[in-house]
Amino acid sequence: NAGVTQTPKFQVLKTGQSMTLQCAQDMNHNSMYWYRQDPGMGLRLIYYSASEGTTDKGEVPNGYNVSRLNKREFSLRLESAAPSQTSVYFCASSEWFSSNQPQHFGDGTRLSIL
Amino acid sequence: QQQVKQSPQSLIVQKGGISIINCAYENTAFDYFPWYQQFPGKGPALLIAIRPDVSEKKEGRFTISFNKSAKQFSLHIMDSQPGDSATYFCAASTISGTYKYIFGTGTRLKVLA
Repeated sequence: NAGVTQTPKFQVLKTGQSMTLQCAQDMNHNSMYWYRQDPGMGLRLIYYSASEGTTDKGEVPNGYNVSRLNKREFSLRLESAAPSQTSVYFCASSEWFSSNQPQHFGDGTRLSIL
Repeated sequence: QQQVKQSPQSLIVQKGGISIINCAYENTAFDYFPWYQQFPGKGPALLIAIRPDVSEKKEGRFTISFNKSAKQFSLHIMDSQPGDSATYFCAASTISGTYKYIFGTGTRLKVLA
């Protein structure tokens, strides 16, 4: 049982390049999330998908787009990468969309923008 | 009002000692307060969580204390072990109005053998 799988694990981009981060969960969860983690700032919510077919902005959505491809998959796209988007990106899922649902995280994608 | 303030930033404890990490929040709409544990190179994993209608929750060596009037909550790790060395994040969430799931800035715990 893999849980939440993120690909790739590492990526280096040049400023202006585009990139899609992939996330898939095998727990039959309804809700999925994208976070970024920066030193000294904890995790910040970028976008979330409460259920298949819906997406909403989180705390820091600028410069990103998302697609909930199906119930299992939720991708994050950087259309024109900027150095400020250098970060570790985590995908998470929860069984239902509710404030008291535990979130299950993948192991992250480490992204560097030069 | 959406911040969750966590302290200390780092903590060193002797094996067998008690580790205490504190968090404070402002938004009274928060109704779920989880703690996550993160090891290097891994994603955060839920450790323990509490709702504001109880003042304390214990799971094994881990205890959350919650003070609703002070808008503070803390994680206590009893009999700390070297395997507990990790980064700990508190969080607070609400679905009331705009969905929020706000993390603290993290505490790096090192337990000395």
